[in-house]
Amino acid sequence: DQQVKQNSPSLSVQEGRISILNCDYTNSMFDYFLWYKKYPAEGPTFLISISSIKDKNEDGRFTVFLNKSAKHLSLHIVPSQPGDSAVYFCAAVNQGGSEKLVFGKGTKLTVNP
Amino acid sequence: EPEVTQTPSHQVTQMGQEVILRCVPISNHLYFYWYRQILGQKVEFLVSFYNNEISEKSEIFDDQFSVERPDGSNFTLKIRSTKLEDSAMYFCASSLNQDAGYTFGSGTRLTVV
Repeated sequence: DQQVKQNSPSLSVQEGRISILNCDYTNSMFDYFLWYKKYPAEGPTFLISISSIKDKNEDGRFTVFLNKSAKHLSLHIVPSQPGDSAVYFCAAVNQGGSEKLVFGKGTKLTVNP
Repeated sequence: EPEVTQTPSHQVTQMGQEVILRCVPISNHLYFYWYRQILGQKVEFLVSFYNNEISEKSEIFDDQFSVERPDGSNFTLKIRSTKLEDSAMYFCASSLNQDAGYTFGSGTRLTVV
């Protein structure tokens, strides 16, 4: 059973517009969520995170929203830039449990100039 | 839902010993990866493998590390002579192509004592 789902394998947006990347999870024990950005042949780079006690966390152009009742989180990038083109992974962890990161399959974002 | 399986989930080894971490990627995937995460740090790329050879590797992946796909189903990471700083969570991943659709395993926690 896939506990963290990113149902859109790819997303294409115009430079300057908003990019919205979605992630759903099934395990209600997850209490910390992270977004990673990955360029080819590199490891995922941490982008932004959110604790389950919050519903929003903002860092510059990046905002993560958490809807616990829907078990859904999203990453908003505004304005999108061509350098944001990468694969984005959603990950979740139960900090009081195994502490293992559970990754989604990734969404490839392409920002067109 | 196909899974990437990693064994063992936890391995304790003495410094200087050889260790082999095992992974069974998804059967029709073509690209295979190892990542590691030292406790409290970011996930780091180690190596990618395609068409029976290493396609990319990071600076971490020195002569102490090797990968093998011995039988068409397993994908192994060998650390020849473990050091204390090799203690980390090691993630295997596979994908059908390089852009997205990654599936991560649940990780092997390696503890070097």
